[in-house]
Amino acid sequence: AQKVTQAQTEISVVEKEDVTLDCVYETRDTTYYLFWYKQPPSGELVFLIRRNSFDEQNEISGRYSWNFQKSTSSFNFTITASQVVDSAVYFCALSAPSGSARQLTFGSGTQLTVLP
Amino acid sequence: DTGVSQDPRHKITKRGQNVTFRCDPISEHNRLYWYRQTLGQGPEFLTYFQNEAQLEKSRLLSDRFSAERPKGSFSTLEIQRTEQGDSAMYLCASSLATDRDYGYTFGSGTRLTVV
Repeated sequence: AQKVTQAQTEISVVEKEDVTLDCVYETRDTTYYLFWYKQPPSGELVFLIRRNSFDEQNEISGRYSWNFQKSTSSFNFTITASQVVDSAVYFCALSAPSGSARQLTFGSGTQLTVLP
Repeated sequence: DTGVSQDPRHKITKRGQNVTFRCDPISEHNRLYWYRQTLGQGPEFLTYFQNEAQLEKSRLLSDRFSAERPKGSFSTLEIQRTEQGDSAMYLCASSLATDRDYGYTFGSGTRLTVV
């Protein structure tokens, strides 16, 4: 069985602060993919990043960075110098290709509010 | 192609009525997924098509739910005899069936309210 835990239900920061969103996952598969999605109030899930289980190199994209640590089954997401437009619900998700469906298993999400 | 389209965006229906939602995936994507998202939760997998074949269904998909993808392009999700517990956002996603491109594109969803 696969499981994704996002322990932080809500986070509130003031603009320009850095914020880290935590994600812990469980899977028995040795090959899997991890994702982060952003869901603004409009409802659409916006893809942010995909990482496969064999690539533990951290990644930076502009103000976004991701820290993948297989030893602790964590895939944390940091926003540097947060902006009001970053306010959204952020989901971490896991997909293991061992099944035919390759469906995503999502965490329950973290509501991020960035205050001006 | 502008992405995954879902119609309608919002649907309010009375308990017991049937509803049908439509999803138009990205044209070259041969995989199509339906997810359901309730308030405060992440999306949960419902079912998946590869071309026109429905290959997997979640236990969440009761016998009141049926999904089709008749020509391997658009898909419909029908809920019969709706119940208040069916109120949720129904999300559609599509992807290519290759290991090298493991990205899913989601639509904006159909929000169903059963009153």
